[in-house]
Amino acid sequence: GQQLNQSPQSMFIQEGEDVSMNCTSSSIFNTWLWYKQDPGEGPVLLIALYKAGELTSNGRLTAQFGITRKDSFLNISASIPSDVGIYFCAGMEYGNKLVFGAGTILRVKS
Amino acid sequence: NAGVTQTPKFRVLKTGQSMTLLCAQDMNHEYMYWYRQDPGMGLRLIHYSVGEGTTAKGEVPDGYNVSRLKKQNFLLGLESAAPSQTSVYFCASSLTGGLAQPQHFGDGTRLSIL
Repeated sequence: GQQLNQSPQSMFIQEGEDVSMNCTSSSIFNTWLWYKQDPGEGPVLLIALYKAGELTSNGRLTAQFGITRKDSFLNISASIPSDVGIYFCAGMEYGNKLVFGAGTILRVKS
Repeated sequence: NAGVTQTPKFRVLKTGQSMTLLCAQDMNHEYMYWYRQDPGMGLRLIHYSVGEGTTAKGEVPDGYNVSRLKKQNFLLGLESAAPSQTSVYFCASSLTGGLAQPQHFGDGTRLSIL
């Protein structure tokens, strides 16, 4: 099946720093989603992107839908300890099926 | 509003045993999904349902069966559990299958097959 390439696999950053992660695909998606998963919980939707080129913010989070529709990135500004978790990108296929990246593990050093 | 509720939260099985995982949603969503999550990998779709009485195969359906007898419930069955099915299982639901309808996830069921 399709796979999304998500990078980096993990990050260990200083509190207050900005964070960037991205996701690429060999296939086109019409919707890109970014989820966060905390330990012991299910993924929670952070941002949904519906148009190529779209730039959307949610508080300190900003995500963009690439022009080619084959990539997306997520930025977190001024990271704080509660940003710790696993961030997943997902592309939405026909029928509302999601294809997930392998995740970026974010660890924040306070 | 409970959202998506999965039971049980944890289970240990012996190889060859059978069990059913239950997913319930109270949001009147049409679409429901079962995923598995393995270390170092994203979630992979096992089966999904686009409405009551319907089911369809996802990316990794082998060894699993599902049923959607009621709109609010989606059951995942393992007829003869194998160690390769040790994983964390997530259920999700969405209002419809439209592009603007994101999926909402439960907190997962951690299943170990010995």
